[in-house]
Amino acid sequence: EVQLVESGGGFVQPGGSLRLSCAASGFTFSGFAMSWVRQAPGKGLEWVSVISYGGGSTYYADSVKGRFTISRDNSKNTLYLQMSSLRAEDTALYFCAKSTSSWSRGYFDYWGQGTLVTVSS
Amino acid sequence: DIQMTQSPSTLSASVGDRVTITCRASQSISSWLAWYQQKPGTAPKLLIYKASNLESGVPSTFSGSGSGTEFTLTISSLQPDDFAAYYCQQYNSYPYTFGQGTKLEIK
Repeated sequence: EVQLVESGGGFVQPGGSLRLSCAASGFTFSGFAMSWVRQAPGKGLEWVSVISYGGGSTYYADSVKGRFTISRDNSKNTLYLQMSSLRAEDTALYFCAKSTSSWSRGYFDYWGQGTLVTVSS
Repeated sequence: DIQMTQSPSTLSASVGDRVTITCRASQSISSWLAWYQQKPGTAPKLLIYKASNLESGVPSTFSGSGSGTEFTLTISSLQPDDFAAYYCQQYNSYPYTFGQGTKLEIK
């Protein structure tokens, strides 16, 4: 059974940093691209970032480019999102999602339950 | 970036109704489109991929169609469990983008 379990969310002040983790199990983690998708309270889904199966390629939404860094450790079956220079508008539930491809043109067949990030003074 | 426009934003319907949600892309995405269902407090669930392919385990009352820039999600006979939010998503190119969502409410 595929499982994605996010952790690391919490309350942080504007300008602060946070690292999210997503522990994966039940599939060959190193074979698939992984993404982060977020959802602000009461709002829709926003794709944030992707990393290729081996970690060699990444892409970011303009809204987080230069502030967030996606990475993965295939030996630990874990995906990360390092978030810095956090803003109030980054407040959201952050989901990790498994792609059906190793890099591009893959849709999301499994999602974690999400971890909540709140940025406020 | 490819913009995805969903309509309507809210849809009120009754059990047994047939409903259709539309998603338009700002440029051609071929058939690289997925539909997700999301209930409050839970993660999105994949319904349809590559515009018209039903994900395993999803009821056959759900169907998708379209290609290029215009797509539809149809629920042929609404069941009580179907009242939720629905999102389209293009995966033709990065950055991936979602439609703004359609909230399906009980009339």
